[in-house]
Amino acid sequence: DAGVIQSPRHEVTEMGQEVTLRCKPISGHNSLFWYRQTMMRGLELLIYFNNNVPIDDSGMPEDRFSAKMPNASFSTLKIQPSEPRDSAVYFCASSSRLNEQFFGPGTRLTVL
Amino acid sequence: DQQVKQNSPSLSVQEGRISILNCDYTNSMFDYFLWYKKYPAEGPTFLISISSIKDKNEDGRFTVFLNKSAKHLSLHIVPSQPGDSAVYFCAALDSSSNTGKLIFGQGTTLQVKP
Repeated sequence: DAGVIQSPRHEVTEMGQEVTLRCKPISGHNSLFWYRQTMMRGLELLIYFNNNVPIDDSGMPEDRFSAKMPNASFSTLKIQPSEPRDSAVYFCASSSRLNEQFFGPGTRLTVL
Repeated sequence: DQQVKQNSPSLSVQEGRISILNCDYTNSMFDYFLWYKKYPAEGPTFLISISSIKDKNEDGRFTVFLNKSAKHLSLHIVPSQPGDSAVYFCAALDSSSNTGKLIFGQGTTLQVKP
């Protein structure tokens, strides 16, 4: 298995633009997590899905952020409009067991 | 409200010596703890874990100690190797929530000098 796949690996955009981050979880995993890594707060959980259903989105910073999981093999995290303070590394992780998550390589987002 | 805290942003040790990374938590419902290791430009990878029914778990050069009364855990690496240089994240789970939701700390950057 190729592991969790994220695209793009790097994204540079201008303030106000829409940004879409993509994730393909490991086949057979029924939980998917979106995280944001910053220096100050470490790894923050934004939202997670179980069997394609959003379970907890309390970590989503504001309405500008949205996430979808239309099927078991694909999820998106969208920021619209983007702001410079959204610049961070965004990770997707998937799991099939409660206590083990496998992370993708991350998307480094820079909003100018 | 940071429920899992790693108060040392960085740590530098000499090759061959012991590295000790610390983590504190506030939520008494946490009953499972994990350490993840992260290299630059890669995602975190699972390193070692411990259940709250234990106070120690060892895997090769890596040992995690849990002090429930102090709500504190630590990761010991001995002997440290230059390849251990990475960011280490502590994470905690309340397994009774049945959600798989991990709460991570801010991370500690370990540098092992040759």
